Amino acid sequence: EAQVTQNPRYLITVTGKKLTVTCSQNMNHEYMSWYRQDPGLGLRQIYYSMNVEVTDKGDVPEGYKVSRKEKRNFPLILESPSPNQTSLYFCASSPRTGTYNEQFFGPGTRLTVL
Amino acid sequence: QQQVKQSPQSLIVQKGGISIINCAYENTAFDYFPWYQQFPGKGPALLIAIRPDVSEKKEGRFTISFNKSAKQFSLHIMDSQPGDSATYFCAARGPGAGSYQLTFGKGTKLSVIP
Repeated sequence: EAQVTQNPRYLITVTGKKLTVTCSQNMNHEYMSWYRQDPGLGLRQIYYSMNVEVTDKGDVPEGYKVSRKEKRNFPLILESPSPNQTSLYFCASSPRTGTYNEQFFGPGTRLTVL
Repeated sequence: QQQVKQSPQSLIVQKGGISIINCAYENTAFDYFPWYQQFPGKGPALLIAIRPDVSEKKEGRFTISFNKSAKQFSLHIMDSQPGDSATYFCAARGPGAGSYQLTFGKGTKLSVIP
């Protein structure tokens, strides 16, 4: 089944404890992206990657890191999480081909930083 | 600077009624306008999309109306059903041809009551 997977789905952690949220897609998509969703703020892009070893900042990159060593994986790293990073996180991927470059979203990771 | 403004924030519609969600954009370089539908606990999924050279697109009960001169577009859901209850996001792709970037509105929570 074509899909974007994220792990973990739920995570409660404490301030300053490094964490990684994994994202993997099995559709051979070139483009991958991370968003955070907060009530009243919609979906805001954190980082994106056009292809392997190519990453760039989105609208809200502060406090986050990413890497794209393989085409299928795009982990999100929080080196020193803070309570304001409590949010619902989505990974998405998109093919280069096709008229509309539809973005396919993962199921989300709900992160709570205490 | 919010480039895509979406209204209303929430919407309650009786079963069988018409749901209308509006969006306005600022950047004329956007080249594709999708709507995403998100059910609780799930990631957003593409619902319907339109190019700016088309004034209307219909897929089943869902219609996008697009007004290029006013820089506005809207989603109409005819014969709304309880199963349509979800959060809807409008988005705009670009700016520029070949861009993968989507700028999302803040979302509209639709509740269809029996």
